[in-house]
Amino acid sequence: DAGVIQSPRHEVTEMGQEVTLRCKPISGHDYLFWYRQTMMRGLELLIYFNNNVPIDDSGMPEDRFSAKMPNASFSTLKIQPSEPRDSAVYFCASSLNEGRLPQHFGDGTRLSIL
Amino acid sequence: DQQVKQNSPSLSVQEGRISILNCDYTNSMFDYFLWYKKYPAEGPTFLISISSIKDKNEDGRFTVFLNKSAKHLSLHIVPSQPGDSAVYFCAAPSNTGNQFYFGTGTSLTVIP
Repeated sequence: DAGVIQSPRHEVTEMGQEVTLRCKPISGHDYLFWYRQTMMRGLELLIYFNNNVPIDDSGMPEDRFSAKMPNASFSTLKIQPSEPRDSAVYFCASSLNEGRLPQHFGDGTRLSIL
Repeated sequence: DQQVKQNSPSLSVQEGRISILNCDYTNSMFDYFLWYKKYPAEGPTFLISISSIKDKNEDGRFTVFLNKSAKHLSLHIVPSQPGDSAVYFCAAPSNTGNQFYFGTGTSLTVIP
């Protein structure tokens, strides 16, 4: 069974550029989550979707961040314009439609904004 | 504000000894907790969980203890093995059950 697939694995770009991170959840999973990992704050939830609908985006740090889920098998997290403080590892995770089941994580995208 | 806290960023243990990783939480409404393990360049993977109706859950070398009055849980690994070297996160779902609050992680190094 394929797990959660994220692309790219690494992204290095200059400040001010648009960055798009991609995620393919596990087939059949109803929930999709975007996290950001930093040394200071650990894993922070940015936004999550249920059945392709954004449910809670209160973790999105600024209007520069946006996320979409056009269908059940694809989601994007976009940063425009990017800033050096956005440098982090971004994880996508998915889970079945039950709150107590663990989330399955992708291997993350390491983003560096120069 | 961190609702789940791991105050030890790192821990080193000799192979064969016990590793104890600690986690504190602030929300007394949390009733379920999970531990995840993360290797470098990989995503976190689920390790073990515990419901608040229990104070202990064991799975092989891994045991999680929950002290609700102290709002504290710990993960015990015994005996520790070099392959256990990883970052360990504790997490708790929100009341709706579909958001997870993660701690900042503890990096465990098991020395051969």
